Amino acid sequence: GNSVTQMEGPVTLSEEAFLTINCTYTATGYPSLFWYVQYPGEGLQLLLKATKADDKGSNKGFEATYRKETTSFHLEKGSVQVSDSAVYFCALSATTGNQFYFGTGTSLTVIP
Amino acid sequence: NAGVMQNPRHLVRRRGQEARLRCSPMKGHSHVYWYRQLPEEGLKFMVYLQKENIIDESGMPKERFSAEFPKEGPSILRIQQVVRGDSAAYFCASSPANSPLHFGNGTRLTVT
Repeated sequence: GNSVTQMEGPVTLSEEAFLTINCTYTATGYPSLFWYVQYPGEGLQLLLKATKADDKGSNKGFEATYRKETTSFHLEKGSVQVSDSAVYFCALSATTGNQFYFGTGTSLTVIP
Repeated sequence: NAGVMQNPRHLVRRRGQEARLRCSPMKGHSHVYWYRQLPEEGLKFMVYLQKENIIDESGMPKERFSAEFPKEGPSILRIQQVVRGDSAAYFCASSPANSPLHFGNGTRLTVT
């Protein structure tokens, strides 16, 4: 079946630190992969996506590379800011059926 | 293009009452998804609908919960005879086929 496993939180970092949030997936076929971000009191917003192996999604300084050999899509940012404090969700959409599968979310707090 | 609109933002119901949550998808989106989020927990898939059809309701409790997406008008998630355990944030998302999900800002249901 299809599933997403992401790093347990919460994660606390100092401003300008390097961020990695791990995400691995199980899927049949060739899914598309996504990172979503949720700020307090809001819905999820698409942060970045990748639709095939070796694709790199990037947005607002965040990056993630679709690694088929390790079935991973780790989120990285070189220098985090206080405004990056949020919950981050890794997700995949199955090759067929238009269904989406989300990880449990990783809470990030960046302190000045 | 307006985003996914959910209303109300906050809903308070007494035990035993009915809760009705509305979701207007983005223009041109024919796929609607409902998710539930409990405090400090991830997103739990509930139901996936296309116009007038339920495609996947595997995440929906068998009793008291129902969803519809009529030909005209918003998608409705209905919870009958609410109990305290139904208190949560309910998120709706929409998409065209084979595209990322766009989320609304959620309805926060409190059962007293």
